[in-house]
Amino acid sequence: DAGVIQSPRHEVTEMGQEVTLRCKPISGHDYLFWYRQTMMRGLELLIYFNNNVPIDDSGMPEDRFSAKMPNASFSTLKIQPSEPRDSAVYFCASSRTEPYSNQPQHFGDGTRLSIL
Amino acid sequence: TQLLEQSPQFLSIQEGENLTVYCNSSSVFSSLQWYRQEPGEGPVLLVTVVTGGEVKKLKRLTFQFGDARKDSSLHITAAQPGDTGLYLCAGVEGAQKLVFGQGTRLTINP
Repeated sequence: DAGVIQSPRHEVTEMGQEVTLRCKPISGHDYLFWYRQTMMRGLELLIYFNNNVPIDDSGMPEDRFSAKMPNASFSTLKIQPSEPRDSAVYFCASSRTEPYSNQPQHFGDGTRLSIL
Repeated sequence: TQLLEQSPQFLSIQEGENLTVYCNSSSVFSSLQWYRQEPGEGPVLLVTVVTGGEVKKLKRLTFQFGDARKDSSLHITAAQPGDTGLYLCAGVEGAQKLVFGQGTRLTINP
């Protein structure tokens, strides 16, 4: 089975440019999460969706960040304009709702973003 | 948002030794998950503990959830180089939201 697929794996761009990160969740999963990981702050939840609807975006740093999920098989995280402090590894994860159990989140391999 | 603190942040030991990693919070979680992350990859779930006092074993790894469901530990017996990685605990908030600790970066030297 295909796991969570993220693209690109690496992105290097200059400050001020728009950055778009992409994610394809596991088929049949109804939750999608975007995280950011840095050495200083660890793994932070930015936003998550349930059935394509944003549920909690309290972790989104500021208005420069936006996320969309136009359908069940695709999501984007956009940064505009980008700043050097946005440099991090961005992960997408998905999971499915099942009663009586705690479903694991399945993570992609991440996008390593460097803003110069 | 509740916070989780992991200790130690870094641990380097020799192959064959035992070790324990701790995950503590001042808040109660409905359940707690442990993940392991290798370089260049995303975290992968190892175990979920749900009941206070619960103990789960995964080969040489033993996970325990505190009685009050505020803390957890991971004990590795006879560590091997293949155990090297970043170990993350995550508290479950609500239905699906996870709060991650900072992680413990473990290195097992041959």
